[in-house]
Amino acid sequence: AQKVTQAQTEISVVEKEDVTLDCVYETRDTTYYLFWYKQPPSGELVFLIRRNSFDEQNEISGRYSWNFQKSTSSFNFTITASQVVDSAVYFCALRLHFGNEKLTFGTGTRLTIIP
Amino acid sequence: GAGVSQSPRYKVAKRGQDVALRCDPISGHVSLFWYQQALGQGPEFLTYFQNEAQLDKSGLPSDRFFAERPEGSVSTLKIQRTQQEDSAVYLCASSLGGGSWADTQYFGPGTRLTVL
Repeated sequence: AQKVTQAQTEISVVEKEDVTLDCVYETRDTTYYLFWYKQPPSGELVFLIRRNSFDEQNEISGRYSWNFQKSTSSFNFTITASQVVDSAVYFCALRLHFGNEKLTFGTGTRLTIIP
Repeated sequence: GAGVSQSPRYKVAKRGQDVALRCDPISGHVSLFWYQQALGQGPEFLTYFQNEAQLDKSGLPSDRFFAERPEGSVSTLKIQRTQQEDSAVYLCASSLGGGSWADTQYFGPGTRLTVL
């Protein structure tokens, strides 16, 4: 069975600091997909990024960047120059290529940006 | 509509009552998913549909939980004889379907269920 671990329960940083959210996953499948979602106080999960297991290129989107390393089964998320609007709970999730299309989520990291 | 919608947004039920939660997926999305999110936890899979077929209901916690999607569009999650441990946010998501690498689930705002 697959598993996603987000060991950081809560993180607080001062505005404009950089912050990295960790995600470690477990699966025996060789083809899978990894996701990050943001859950602001309104409660709706907002899709941020999708990554497939055969593409280890890191990705940057504005202030956001993602570091995927198969060797350590990690898919970490970095916010550069954090802003108050980044305050939310962030979830990492895993989906297998074969079989059920369900997402397996981590327990989330609550990020608070202090102005 | 532009996104996934769910109703009601909030539901308070007395223990033992039946409740029905509705999900309207993004138009044209084949796959529809229900998740349960307890306070301070990540969403947990309940069940999913491809069109009207319920392909997996392994996450439903008991036979008091029932989901349907009769015409392959709107879905209803029904909980019979609610209990306090059913209190949670119920999230619905939809996707184009097919499980390809590009397939992404988009979530609705959720229904917060409180059982007294």
